Amino acid sequence: KNEVEQSPQNLTAQEGEFITINCSYSVGISALHWLQQHPGGGIVSLFMLSSGKKKHGRLIATINIQEKHSSLHITASHPRDSAVYICAVYPSYNNNDMRFGAGTRLTVKP
Amino acid sequence: DADVTQTPRNRITKTGKRIMLECSQTKGHDRMYWYRQDPGLGLRLIYYSFDVKDINKGEISDGYSVSRQAQAKFSLSLESAIPNQTALYFCATSDYSGGSYNEQFFGPGTRLTVL
Repeated sequence: KNEVEQSPQNLTAQEGEFITINCSYSVGISALHWLQQHPGGGIVSLFMLSSGKKKHGRLIATINIQEKHSSLHITASHPRDSAVYICAVYPSYNNNDMRFGAGTRLTVKP
Repeated sequence: DADVTQTPRNRITKTGKRIMLECSQTKGHDRMYWYRQDPGLGLRLIYYSFDVKDINKGEISDGYSVSRQAQAKFSLSLESAIPNQTALYFCATSDYSGGSYNEQFFGPGTRLTVL
């Protein structure tokens, strides 16, 4: 079983909808990373967090360490948000080896 | 100009050939990483390096080797390529801030096909 599970695997939304992508992990972690992979393959960092909540523009990331769960929210979604969103964790047992979820493919239709 | 570059961007090769993928960065980061991505799977760490003299195996290092030629350059080699090494390969870099975990910056990826 993968140490990092994301849901849903695929998500289709209409422009303007509020989006939530979930990430659950089974190990103790030092930090969690949300990444965005564009259709062309490039990967960019969105957030790194170890507690609480972070906000950047229309993106919000939250983490609950006790429940081993993180969510990525997108408000007022737009077609340009269409991408694969990847959750990754730094496990406490090996802080140098980040473990990745398989990603959530988001499609936002106009 | 991109901060993390990879060459080549695409490569098709045959089973048994030696292949080198190169990564260069202008971010001044000490830490560099090589990952592979397979459809339906998360990225997996192949090797990582914290400085020129420090090379470490990741989750899936078998069949791969690396060289850290300078702080800015980290190469990945497949000594004898096999078809199941067909994947998308990413290089990444990160800074280190005394115990805290910094975000990683990824290159554009290299699509490798082994026939």
